[in-house]
Amino acid sequence: AQSVTQPDIHITVSEGASLELRCNYSYGATPYLFWYVQSPGQGLQLLLKYFSGDTLVQGIKGFEAEFKRSQSSFNLRKPSVHWSDAAEYFCAVGNTDKLIFGTGTRLQVFP
Amino acid sequence: KAGVTQTPRYLIKTRGQQVTLSCSPISGHRSVSWYQQTPGQGLQFLFEYFSETQRNKGNFPGRFSGRQFSNSRSEMNVSTLELGDSALYLCASSGGQGGETQYFGPGTRLLVL
Repeated sequence: AQSVTQPDIHITVSEGASLELRCNYSYGATPYLFWYVQSPGQGLQLLLKYFSGDTLVQGIKGFEAEFKRSQSSFNLRKPSVHWSDAAEYFCAVGNTDKLIFGTGTRLQVFP
Repeated sequence: KAGVTQTPRYLIKTRGQQVTLSCSPISGHRSVSWYQQTPGQGLQFLFEYFSETQRNKGNFPGRFSGRQFSNSRSEMNVSTLELGDSALYLCASSGGQGGETQYFGPGTRLLVL
């Protein structure tokens, strides 16, 4: 079955600290992987995506993610978090016609 | 380019009524997907339309339906509303070819009383 697991429901970090959000997936074929961010009351904004090639992908707002096929993981990282990064983050797997989302990780940032 | 637009942004209905939500994709995009977001079930795929044809469908009852017009705009309809249909309904558009990114609209928040 196709699925995405985000094991951390809620993460709290201090501003300036590093961040890693975990994502594990189960998908029959070679996956297309995405990270989206959602601010309260808003839609989803694409942070980055992996289709093929270099397993370390760079995204917007200083985020990066690494695809590890052997671990079925696609973890999101940022070296230094800003207060404006507080939001909910969703990992997704799928293709153009359908995405399967994880349950999301809510990020709280303390000054 | 303008982004994905959804109308209306907020909607209040009562049980048993029906509702129609609209989505205008990014210019040139031919694929529109719909998702339901609730606190309990998270983000769930409803269906996807490409060139006026439903190409993929999620696991939702027949009360949920959709269509796409020749200009790629899409509507989704929910008949006989239930309290559990209260949710944020998101639509996303893409070019429709394999591997393309879906870009999301701001959503329509539906409250069923």
